[in-house]
Amino acid sequence: QVHLQESGPGLVKPSGTLSLTCAVSGASISGTNWWSWVRQSPGKGLEWIGEIYHSGITNYNPSLKSRVAMSVDKSRNQFSLNLTSVTAADTAVYFCARAKGWPQRDFDYWGQGALVTVSS
Amino acid sequence: QSALTQPASVSGSPGQSITISCTGTTNDVGGYNYVAWYQKHPDKAPKLILYGVSNRPAGVSIRFSGSKSGNTASLTISGLQADDEADYYCASYTSASTLVFGGGTKLTVL
Repeated sequence: QVHLQESGPGLVKPSGTLSLTCAVSGASISGTNWWSWVRQSPGKGLEWIGEIYHSGITNYNPSLKSRVAMSVDKSRNQFSLNLTSVTAADTAVYFCARAKGWPQRDFDYWGQGALVTVSS
Repeated sequence: QSALTQPASVSGSPGQSITISCTGTTNDVGGYNYVAWYQKHPDKAPKLILYGVSNRPAGVSIRFSGSKSGNTASLTISGLQADDEADYYCASYTSASTLVFGGGTKLTVL
């Protein structure tokens, strides 16, 4: 069974950098899947942040592109998200997810989500 | 990219059918058969219930069905059950090779 687990600080100061890691088990991150980050701000809908392939190829949401960077660590079977210059608007539950196909990106496995609060 | 348009809320009684719409443009919903639907219960991860407009993943009830006409995709849930009460999100591939979600629809089972 495929399992994804987010980890990282739950509190980030304004103007700082949000960093999260998604550990994958039950599947190889070096396979044919793409790996995404999705967030949900309090009381709002889902927002796709971007994705990464094991080769390092990335695609980002244009609205976040200038602040987002994703990376993959094949030796640890995990991938990461960095979001810079955060504000209160970046407070959200962040999910990592596996896309079972590309380019359609149907997410068949998700992490349980990690709440990140931006506050001083 | 703008979020796809969904009704904020829908409701129905147990046993009834409801339909949730998801409206986009020719650059997303209308241009590709790459529309997925997710069910999300509070404090839970989203669950994929339809992909490729109308395909159900293994284990998803046949009560969930999907269709598309022009720039609008639709999710129909038949034989409503209490556990269907959740938020539902559509998602579509876009011509910019990105993914866009709908704003979400809260389903209330009366």
